[in-house]
Amino acid sequence: DGGITQSPKYLFRKEGQNVTLSCEQNLNHDAMYWYRQDPGQGLRLIYYSQIVNDFQKGDIAEGYSVSREKKESFPLTVTSAQKNPTAFYLCASSILFSVDTQYFGPGTRLTVL
Amino acid sequence: AQSVTQLGSHVSVSEGALVLLRCNYSSSVPPYLFWYVQYPNQGLQLLLKYTSAATLVKGINGFEAEFKKSETSFHLTKPSAHMSDAAEYFCAVSAGNQFYFGTGTSLTVIP
Repeated sequence: DGGITQSPKYLFRKEGQNVTLSCEQNLNHDAMYWYRQDPGQGLRLIYYSQIVNDFQKGDIAEGYSVSREKKESFPLTVTSAQKNPTAFYLCASSILFSVDTQYFGPGTRLTVL
Repeated sequence: AQSVTQLGSHVSVSEGALVLLRCNYSSSVPPYLFWYVQYPNQGLQLLLKYTSAATLVKGINGFEAEFKKSETSFHLTKPSAHMSDAAEYFCAVSAGNQFYFGTGTSLTVIP
């Protein structure tokens, strides 16, 4: 089955620690995205990648980093510089950047203890 | 610049009643418009999308939406609500190399 997987489903982090969220897709999509979701605020774009070895900051990139070394993988690192990292993180992909339908993974819920 | 506004962060309907979730957009170029549904602790699932073909778009689970350019609206409807429709619904607009989501509408279905 084609789709997007995110792991882990739930993640707990101590303050001051970096943590990496996994996102893998087997849809052969060029574009991939990371969103953060907080109650009542909808989805906010963290980073996006239009193609392998390229990525751009979204609206709330501070305290986050990404890499796109392979077409199917787009991991997100939440660094200790992110002051309020507790949130639900969603990864998405699309055939082409922006105008195409975005397909979402199941999400990772990150909690900082 | 593009944006999307969802009117009503919470909507409650009785089971069997009409569902109407409102979405208005602004776009300087012809937009693509989407409705997504999200169940608790899950990702977003595409319900339907408008891509400049027919203005009335039918989606999954009995939902449909009508693109009205004069009103800059793309409201989501379903004739008869089912308990399984209880979820968060997001409208999204894509135009000019940008993609924006609304803040979402939480739908409650009352038995």
